[in-house]
Amino acid sequence: DTGVSQDPRHKITKRGQNVTFRCDPISEHNRLYWYRQTLGQGPEFLTYFQNEAQLEKSRLLSDRFSAERPKGSFSTLEIQRTEQGDSAMYLCASSLDDHSYGYTFGSGTRLTVV
Amino acid sequence: GENVEQHPSTLSVQEGDSAVIKCTYSDSASNYFPWYKQELGKRPQLIIDIRSNVGEKKDQRIAVTLNKTAKHFSLHITETQPEDSAVYFCAASPKTRGSYIPTFGRGTSLIVHP
Repeated sequence: DTGVSQDPRHKITKRGQNVTFRCDPISEHNRLYWYRQTLGQGPEFLTYFQNEAQLEKSRLLSDRFSAERPKGSFSTLEIQRTEQGDSAMYLCASSLDDHSYGYTFGSGTRLTVV
Repeated sequence: GENVEQHPSTLSVQEGDSAVIKCTYSDSASNYFPWYKQELGKRPQLIIDIRSNVGEKKDQRIAVTLNKTAKHFSLHITETQPEDSAVYFCAASPKTRGSYIPTFGRGTSLIVHP
């Protein structure tokens, strides 16, 4: 196991509901990243944290998306008022504070909005 | 922002043949180029990377070349084996708010026939 844990692995939700995903990075990694991956595409960057500071959030897809990392350890990604277009795999990755060489990805949370 | 183009989208080879996947990028500030392998239903895993001060890097059957002038880089797999079958993603990393955030290509589905 590579050490980045994501929960849940799968989430099915009805359109309009809010969902929250959790990511636990490798313990010594102080950088944490969220990506979205849709079928047939590469991962698409959403946001990242260094410790508890969210250093880049302009790529979040809309104001319905938000992320937190309150104590610089685990992180949560929340999607409010889900839409069918939000269905995707949400990947978390972490790295040491050395220019992000060599991300370690988690297994992802697959979201299906019905 | 960075834009990464990856070709081909699908590559089918016979076991023992070589496979080459090519990527181009747009941002001359990118200086870190990782390659990830993603097996069906699994997380992307780093297989090799190259930094802009190096033109070529090799690790057993895998090699990556980088031409910064032309802004393209390639992955070469020799003596392919069925277990090499997966989706391969290239990425280029410009510095964004203090971190090198990879922008991924759309992926190449490599199929190695026994």
